[in-house]
This record gives sequence, C-alpha cells and structure tokens, in this order.
Amino acid sequence: AQKITQTQPGMFVQEKEAVTLDCTYDTSDPSYGLFWYKQPSSGEMIFLIYQGSYDQQNATEGRYSLNFQKARKSANLVISASQLGDSAMYFCAMREFNDYKLSFGAGTTVTVRA
Amino acid sequence: EPEVTQTPSHQVTQMGQEVILRCVPISNHLYFYWYRQILGQKVEFLVSFYNNEISEKSEIFDDQFSVERPDGSNFTLKIRSTKLEDSAMYFCASSEANRGVGEKLFFGSGTQLSVL
Repeated sequence: AQKITQTQPGMFVQEKEAVTLDCTYDTSDPSYGLFWYKQPSSGEMIFLIYQGSYDQQNATEGRYSLNFQKARKSANLVISASQLGDSAMYFCAMREFNDYKLSFGAGTTVTVRA
Repeated sequence: EPEVTQTPSHQVTQMGQEVILRCVPISNHLYFYWYRQILGQKVEFLVSFYNNEISEKSEIFDDQFSVERPDGSNFTLKIRSTKLEDSAMYFCASSEANRGVGEKLFFGSGTQLSVL
C-alpha cells in the first residue's frame, strides 16, 4: 500500500498567488513526521517544512505552511505569494517511529507563470 | 551552510560495468543514506548506514549493491555489475542523529547514472 499519495502530477499557478499541494498518508503508527522537499530542475532535494504527528499547531516556514489535518491523514503544503523560483517538483515524505526511512510520494510539479 | 556533496554529477557506463558513486556527507553527521529516483518516478530508499554498518536496506539493495565509508569523510555506493534498470538519479543524504521522526535528512544534488 502507498504510504504517501500525491494526486496532483502537475499544477500551474500565477505569480504572487497561493497554491496548495495535496498530500495524504497512511500509517497506523501514532508517532510520525511529515516532510516536504523541493526539487528544482537542477536536481537537488531541498528541505522545506516539517510537521510532527503530535504537534498541536500547523507548521510554518516563511511562505510555506502546512495544513495538517490528522483525522483526514492529510498534510497539504501551501505556498503563498508564489515566485518564479518556486517552479519545481515538490515531494511529500513521511517517517514513522517504527520505520525510520523516509518514504516519498510521487511528487507534484509546480509551474509558476509570470 | 554545510551541504552534502556528490560526485560525479553524471555517470555514463556500459551494462555489466562496475560504478562507484561518491558522497561527502555533512561533517558532523552520523547517519548516511542512499536513495534513487528513476526518471518520472518517486524517490526510493536504498540503504541507511550508521557506525560503519548497514542499519536498514530495501529490497532494491541486493547483492549487486554495496556501501562503504572508506575514510572519515567519504560515503560510497558501489554497483558491481550495472543493469539497464539501474539508470536513475542517485541521492546521498545524511542526518546529524537519529533522534526521532523529526530528524531532518540533508540531500546532495544527486548523481545521474545512465547505463547503456
């Protein structure tokens, strides 16, 4: 079974607008962490934001925020005020307490239009 | 900011040849990982390494693969006899510790391996 599901293969967003990238996950472990990484065309994987399963508040890092809905098992990434440099592939990933490797979703390609 | 360095950025090899992918993790990190990403597919875990031994490996990481930390700075992935399906981007990652689910992995820029 897929642990991380990203249903949007590609998205377009207008510069300065916000965009939401969907991520749902599957785990029976009560302790887990959710990560978002950005992969620009140059290929590197850049850490963006982290949300722990026991965190009471949604994580925020600058223009990135995570809409964490635990009961729905979703951890959507919101990018506000999109910039041209935000054009990249975005991966949602999870680490469970009983399985320390990071499991990735299939990714969502975001293209920001001027 | 310290970063994980991978060399080469691109590697082309003939089927059946051995390749060694090299990584220099962040200097104070203790846990090391290899992941791969076949074109257009998700990033897949290969192996994790700690205290000079493999701590976990996936079913992908068969006898054709091996990892080594030959000195205090390098971390290598060797594929003994490459197959066409080994063509992928290979990412090295490191983490400072393994303190829980929130431990962040730092990734290198990857090595694009093409097997002809």
